[in-house]
Amino acid sequence: NAGVTQTPKFQVLKTGQSMTLQCAQDMNHEYMSWYRQDPGMGLRLIHYSVGAGITDQGEVPNGYNVSRSTTEDFPLRLLSAAPSQTSVYFCASSSWRGQETQYFGPGTRLLVL
Amino acid sequence: SQQGEEDPQALSIQEGENATMNCSYKTSINNLQWYRQNSGRGLVHLILIRSNEREKHSGRLRVTLDTSKKSSSLLITASRAADTASYFCAISNFGNEKLTFGTGTRLTIIP
Repeated sequence: NAGVTQTPKFQVLKTGQSMTLQCAQDMNHEYMSWYRQDPGMGLRLIHYSVGAGITDQGEVPNGYNVSRSTTEDFPLRLLSAAPSQTSVYFCASSSWRGQETQYFGPGTRLLVL
Repeated sequence: SQQGEEDPQALSIQEGENATMNCSYKTSINNLQWYRQNSGRGLVHLILIRSNEREKHSGRLRVTLDTSKKSSSLLITASRAADTASYFCAISNFGNEKLTFGTGTRLTIIP
């Protein structure tokens, strides 16, 4: 099992550009989520999904879109990148519910100029 | 905010010593989890303790939970250089599908 994979590892964007951060898991987990990690802020939940076709907002959803068409994939879309979105983004999955053990991907480091 | 708050923010100890870090929270919880993050990497789950449990062990790790004080502690015994990392607590509440993470304790083990 590859676990949770994320691409790209690093990305530089200009303000106003859009992009999609990819996340995939091969553990047949129902629950998937996206977090951003900023210095001194810990991890903050952006969006989450409890199954294919179901998504919901987390703590900091503005500027981000998600969809869940398959159990395996949970892409995060930045609609119009802003410097405030410079961060490290982590995708995570859980076998049962969002309250249980989370398995994290290696992260995507995003720099918005 | 229901975010857990770790204490201390940073801790440096000699290899072989024990390391203790604490997590406090504000509301009733379903469970509390501890994660480790090595520099530049994703988080790795260490231990999950439920609200009706008081103590759990996993190898050199011991976690306690005191729901009356709304606090948890993570003890790492006989520390090793490889334990150098940031440690985060995460809390879950009944009725939602979210984990809320604290800001972490940065642990440095001095060889």
